[in-house]
Amino acid sequence: RKEVEQDPGPFNVPEGATVAFNCTYSNSASQSFFWYRQDCRKEPKLLMSVYSSGNEDGRFTAQLNRASQYISLLIRDSKLSDSATYLCVVNSGSNTGKLIFGQGTTLQVKP
Amino acid sequence: DAGVIQSPRHEVTEMGQEVTLRCKPISGHNSLFWYRQTMMRGLELLIYFNNNVPIDDSGMPEDRFSAKMPNASFSTLKIQPSEPRDSAVYFCASSLSLGTVGDEQYFGPGTRLTVT
Repeated sequence: RKEVEQDPGPFNVPEGATVAFNCTYSNSASQSFFWYRQDCRKEPKLLMSVYSSGNEDGRFTAQLNRASQYISLLIRDSKLSDSATYLCVVNSGSNTGKLIFGQGTTLQVKP
Repeated sequence: DAGVIQSPRHEVTEMGQEVTLRCKPISGHNSLFWYRQTMMRGLELLIYFNNNVPIDDSGMPEDRFSAKMPNASFSTLKIQPSEPRDSAVYFCASSLSLGTVGDEQYFGPGTRLTVT
């Protein structure tokens, strides 16, 4: 079983749609959780950290369920510029600093 | 603010040649990470440093790969000799710390390596 699992997609949605990505992780000792965004031929960029209470940043909402070891990202009112690959990331626990990256979910927003 | 800086951005070399990739982390960040990304294998952690000391190099594929961090503002990843299967994008990333606070990593633009 992969340490971080994501549905690779692609998710093809029209502009203005709401889309949700899910991710599961296997290490119950993980303490930090993130969503990164990667555009084609570019570096991964931090989109948002994910907190236990859930957090929102504009059109983006992240949720964490520690009991189920499950993370989600909700994007409302999708824009063409949201088209990218979204990487679910968790730390490996034990203050090692190592981050484990999922394979990513590809989103394509169409006009 | 300057982000993570990597050079060169593109490198094309012939099999058997030595390749050196360079990275300057964000000022004040204590941890530095080297990753490799390919379509087949995704993003792989090769090695990381904390306070210039290598912490875990278990991801380094073989002895042809070596990395150094002589000071807080510079690191190199060297491949000698290079092989076609080393072709990939190599990313350097830095973070404030290895703890659970400040462990988000910031990536450089990457070096696209092609070995022919």
